[in-house]
Amino acid sequence: EDQVTQSPEALRLQEGESSSLNCSYTVSGLRGLFWYRQDPGKGPEFLFTLYSAGEEKEKERLKATLTKKESFLHITAPKPEDSATYLCAVQTHGNFGNEKLTFGTGTRLTIIP
Amino acid sequence: GAVVSQHPSWVICKSGTSVKIECRSLDFQATTMFWYRQFPKQSLMLMATSNEGSKATYEQGVEKDKFLINHASLTLSTLTVTSAHPEDSSFYICSATPLADSYEQYFGPGTRLTVT
Repeated sequence: EDQVTQSPEALRLQEGESSSLNCSYTVSGLRGLFWYRQDPGKGPEFLFTLYSAGEEKEKERLKATLTKKESFLHITAPKPEDSATYLCAVQTHGNFGNEKLTFGTGTRLTIIP
Repeated sequence: GAVVSQHPSWVICKSGTSVKIECRSLDFQATTMFWYRQFPKQSLMLMATSNEGSKATYEQGVEKDKFLINHASLTLSTLTVTSAHPEDSSFYICSATPLADSYEQYFGPGTRLTVT
């Protein structure tokens, strides 16, 4: 069974204090690893997709990396508007039309001004 | 691009009634649409996967007769919660996979259902 574990569950940082969120996974055949941002009462907002170990992607203050067992979401010099829950999800190989995602429980990030 | 909408954004209904939630891909055609539910401070749990023109595939433990899914076109899927009860109160979110890229999944803004 595919499993996704995110840590920490919650993280409070001072504005400008860089840190990393972790997503470890156990799957049989990774097709892609996704990072989403979710604000309270809203749907997830797509951030990144990583497909193979060693791949990195960046967007503003966020950088996502991938190894064979885990992914990190690095946040550099965060601002209060970066406060949100960050969700990691894995997509595994399956029949076309059934590329479902398995989500982790998320990391609630709070940036204190 | 890749915008998914849901309607309504919130709904309150009485126990025993049925509620329909719509999910639309606004600027792309979707091969597949997914329905999730999310309880407070929990992650998204996949309920079912639907492909246009065929029956939905439900995850284990999800009652297919209670959560009816219709995928009428490449841009519209509906979820009907039949005979709703208070325990069905939740945040329901849909997502859609574009025809052009089966790797990506774009999410709607969610529908808050409260059953009284």
